[in-house]
Amino acid sequence: GNSVTQMEGPVTLSEEAFLTINCTYTATGYPSLFWYVQYPGEGLQLLLKATKADDKGSNKGFEATYRKETTSFHLEKGSVQVSDSAVYFCALQAGAGSYQLTFGKGTKLSVIP
Amino acid sequence: EAEVAQSPRYKITEKSQAVAFWCDPISGHATLYWYRQILGQGPELLVQFQDESVVDDSQLPKDRFSAERLKGVDSTLKIQPAELGDSAMYLCASSLRDVGKQNTFGSGTRLTVV
Repeated sequence: GNSVTQMEGPVTLSEEAFLTINCTYTATGYPSLFWYVQYPGEGLQLLLKATKADDKGSNKGFEATYRKETTSFHLEKGSVQVSDSAVYFCALQAGAGSYQLTFGKGTKLSVIP
Repeated sequence: EAEVAQSPRYKITEKSQAVAFWCDPISGHATLYWYRQILGQGPELLVQFQDESVVDDSQLPKDRFSAERLKGVDSTLKIQPAELGDSAMYLCASSLRDVGKQNTFGSGTRLTVV
């Protein structure tokens, strides 16, 4: 079946540090890949997505590249801010008519001034 | 910006009681999902609707959970009777019909069963 594996958290970084959150996936076919962000007590917000191999999704300084050869979709940001503190979820949406998302367990990021 | 509406935002209920959650998806979104998110975990799909039809309810505990979307628009998720282990965030999401269209999530209903 489909699955997503994210690096374990929590991750604590100083402001302006470089962020990487690793995500690998297992899926049949050619899934679409997503990063969602969840702030405390809130629902999930789409951060970025990629729908085919070698696509790069980007938003608000975050980037992730769909790597089919390594089945990965790592999230990166060059300089984090305190406001980036949240839980980040990697997810996949399998093809063949299935629209539901399969999520990783989430990685909590705390950015300290 | 269009949003997925959910209510209530918070619910506390005693075990063995019935509880219901409501979701109104973005207008025009044919696909509606209910996810359950246990604290510290990622969301897991409970049920998926396409218009008024259930597409996938394989992870729905059907002995106590039910979901409906009678007119293909808003939806209700019910738990009866509630158990302590049902304490979680219940998230509703909607999307356009095609694969690759992102799920847009509501703010969720935080359920606490005491």
